[in-house]
Amino acid sequence: NAGVTQTPKFRILKIGQSMTLQCTQDMNHNYMYWYRQDPGMGLKLIYYSVGAGITDKGEVPNGYNVSRSTTEDFPLRLELAAPSQTSVYFCASTNSRGILTDTQYFGPGTRLTVL
Amino acid sequence: TQLLEQSPQFLSIQEGENLTVYCNSSSVFSSLQWYRQEPGEGPVLLVTVVTGGEVKKLKRLTFQFGDARKDSSLHITAAQPGDTGLYLCAGVTQGGSEKLVFGKGTKLTVNP
Repeated sequence: NAGVTQTPKFRILKIGQSMTLQCTQDMNHNYMYWYRQDPGMGLKLIYYSVGAGITDKGEVPNGYNVSRSTTEDFPLRLELAAPSQTSVYFCASTNSRGILTDTQYFGPGTRLTVL
Repeated sequence: TQLLEQSPQFLSIQEGENLTVYCNSSSVFSSLQWYRQEPGEGPVLLVTVVTGGEVKKLKRLTFQFGDARKDSSLHITAAQPGDTGLYLCAGVTQGGSEKLVFGKGTKLTVNP
């Protein structure tokens, strides 16, 4: 199993540009999450999904959109990039019983810079 | 908003020393997790503590969950350079969909 994979690893965007961060997991996990990690800060939850077709906002959803058409994929969309979105983005997944009882697996991250 | 305060933020010690990292909140969590993160990688789960007062040991690492399930500590005995990394605590929220609330992390450097 590859686990959780994210692409791209690095990206530089200009203000106002759009992009999609890709996340795929091959563990058949129902729960998937997107976090951002700013320097010196912990991870903050952007969006999460408890299954295909179901998504919900986390702590910092503004400026982002998600979709979950399959169990495996959970892309994160930035429509109008802003410098405040410069961060490292992590995707994670866990099994259907949730965080309390199952390990949450993180991808390697996407480092995004908006200039 | 539930917050987790971690201390210290930075810790630099010599190989063989002991250390403790603290994670405190005014909120109650269903459980609390500790992660270790290497540069350029995602966090990796070390342990989940669920019951108030619970103590778990993982080789030289000892994790404790406070009786009121609001705080936790990580103690490392005889630290080694391989322990160097960012240690994150994360509380699992109660009720509804389970979500993680992360502390800011403790950056540990163990010098040989």
